[in-house]
Amino acid sequence: DIQMTQSPSSLSASVGDRVTITCRASQSVSTYLHWYQQKPGKAPNLLIYTASNLPNGVPSRFSGSGSGTDFTLTISSLQPEDFATYYCQQSHSAPLTFGQGTRLEI
Amino acid sequence: QVQLVQSGTEVKNPGASVRVSCKASGYTFTTSSFHWVRQAPGHSLEWMGWINPGNGNTKYSQNFQGRVTITRDTSASTVYMELSSLRSEDTALYYCARGRSTTLTTGAGYWGQGTLVTVSS
Repeated sequence: DIQMTQSPSSLSASVGDRVTITCRASQSVSTYLHWYQQKPGKAPNLLIYTASNLPNGVPSRFSGSGSGTDFTLTISSLQPEDFATYYCQQSHSAPLTFGQGTRLEI
Repeated sequence: QVQLVQSGTEVKNPGASVRVSCKASGYTFTTSSFHWVRQAPGHSLEWMGWINPGNGNTKYSQNFQGRVTITRDTSASTVYMELSSLRSEDTALYYCARGRSTTLTTGAGYWGQGTLVTVSS
């Protein structure tokens, strides 16, 4: 199985900050890497697909980059509604696997 | 609008099976795949398997040792996930999620509300 490791596991930040979360795969996943945001008691929400693409409706302050084994999710200017847990997921090889999550706190 | 509505909370004894349903609406059912993902309390997300509802092709995580089966009923626009030989570690919130295409490789853009399955004697 491909292991996905996120860093940091938790992060304290303030409204307006620029934040970067990293995700490393144990082997190459090409660009089959997606990012999700999850708020307490809610289902995950797709933020970025195939490394750098934003679904319709996702604010442009979110961006993703990377390929192969190293990926980043960047939030350019944190808003109050962005405080949540973020997960990366690879879909290069089954079983699809998720990172352990990064909890973004005020 | 796309909606995925899952069946309700389940409480099961160890060794039993559970079947969770996910009814899709708002689009053509066979044009997007489905994933099943679970989340134990306080834990990360765990992928269980996938189905292409157009042809019924499936793929499963071997981490479930053959205990998971995903099926679909195209006439009802519904996918099902059955998990057998339940144990306490299977207590979790189970989600269906719609892929962005019929392939395995796209992210999941729509999610159901989740179904809580509790395994306890």
